[in-house]
Amino acid sequence: RKEVEQDPGPFNVPEGATVAFNCTYSNSASQSFFWYRQDCRKEPKLLMSVYSSGNEDGRFTAQLNRASQYISLLIRDSKLSDSATYLCVVNSQDASKIIFGSGTRLSIRP
Amino acid sequence: GAGVSQSPSNKVTEKGKDVELRCDPISGHTALYWYRQSLGQGLEFLIYFQGNSAPDKSGLPSDRFSAERTGGSVSTLTIQRTQQEDSAVYLCASSLGGLNTEAFFGQGTRLTVV
Repeated sequence: RKEVEQDPGPFNVPEGATVAFNCTYSNSASQSFFWYRQDCRKEPKLLMSVYSSGNEDGRFTAQLNRASQYISLLIRDSKLSDSATYLCVVNSQDASKIIFGSGTRLSIRP
Repeated sequence: GAGVSQSPSNKVTEKGKDVELRCDPISGHTALYWYRQSLGQGLEFLIYFQGNSAPDKSGLPSDRFSAERTGGSVSTLTIQRTQQEDSAVYLCASSLGGLNTEAFFGQGTRLTVV
């Protein structure tokens, strides 16, 4: 089983819609969680960290469910500029390194 | 520099030749990662450094691939006897290490083996 798993998508949604992705992780002891965004032919960049109590940044909400070992990203009122690949990131079992999921591709249509 | 720097940005090489890719991490970052990304695919983990040591080399696809890091800073990824399937973007990232630290990526080296 992969340490971090994501639905590859693509998710194709209309502008203004709400879209949510989940990401599951295998190590119950993981403590650090992030969402990264990668635009086409660009390097990944941090979108937001994920805190235990959940956190919000504008139209983006990240949540952590430790019991079920998944994190989620919710995007409200989606914009054309949100089209990208969203990568889930979790620290490794021995907390020595971070592990990237393979990403979920999102495409927003007008 | 302020960010992670990778060189060259593009490399075209003939099949069978050796190539060396370089990564300059952010100053003070002890953790350094190499990933590979083929067109339209996800990130494939190659190797992780903590300081100069590589506790996890599990992602290196074959013994043609090797990497080193010196002085806890610059890292080089070497691919010997390149094959066409080695064509990809090679991304380097660095972080302070430990929990809750963000990883910063370089812009990558686009390798094309012809």
